Amino acid sequence: GQQLNQSPQSMFIQEGEDVSMNCTSSSIFNTWLWYKQDPGEGPVLLIALYKAGELTSNGRLTAQFGITRKDSFLNISASIPSDVGIYFCAGKETSGSRLTFGEGTQLTVNP
Amino acid sequence: GAVVSQHPSWVICKSGTSVKIECRSLDFQATTMFWYRQFPKQSLMLMATSNEGSKATYEQGVEKDKFLINHASLTLSTLTVTSAHPEDSSFYICNLLPRTGLDTQYFGPGTRLTVL
Repeated sequence: GQQLNQSPQSMFIQEGEDVSMNCTSSSIFNTWLWYKQDPGEGPVLLIALYKAGELTSNGRLTAQFGITRKDSFLNISASIPSDVGIYFCAGKETSGSRLTFGEGTQLTVNP
Repeated sequence: GAVVSQHPSWVICKSGTSVKIECRSLDFQATTMFWYRQFPKQSLMLMATSNEGSKATYEQGVEKDKFLINHASLTLSTLTVTSAHPEDSSFYICNLLPRTGLDTQYFGPGTRLTVL
């Protein structure tokens, strides 16, 4: 199926640094979601975005729904070791429809 | 937040056997249930979608006779991998859309299937 272009694929950073990752799509989405997945577990929802231009924060995480509705970014500020994991963006074209996932960003935080 | 459970969390089986995976929503009713498959170091790929009262809709390339999905109730969905082979070894994750509330979908914790 269709996939979103998510970048970067992986990041290696020092504890305390800020992180940014983004997703772009050729399709318009009405909902953007950001998930974190730890090894051997299902994805956990971090932030949900429902309107173009929307900027939403969840603690040290901030995500934005692009104006064109074809992109979104996720920022993590002051990273800590427990931020390690794989981050996925996901887009939804209409309410109740399937999610299309990005390829994921593997984040490693060095203490 | 909403709670979704999957059982078993992991299973090892012999080639040719069938395996049933259960997905339950513990505190909400789900109108739509999705099943995803994830191979190591890859993203999640949708296998099928099942809506309340309807048969499951399978994605292209997913064999409906091999991956049987039963949307038993608004709180339970099962995925049965029939005549499993080693290439079916993967991480299977259900994803549920609540009947009410924001358009947010919740994932189960996943089931690791290993076929010997």
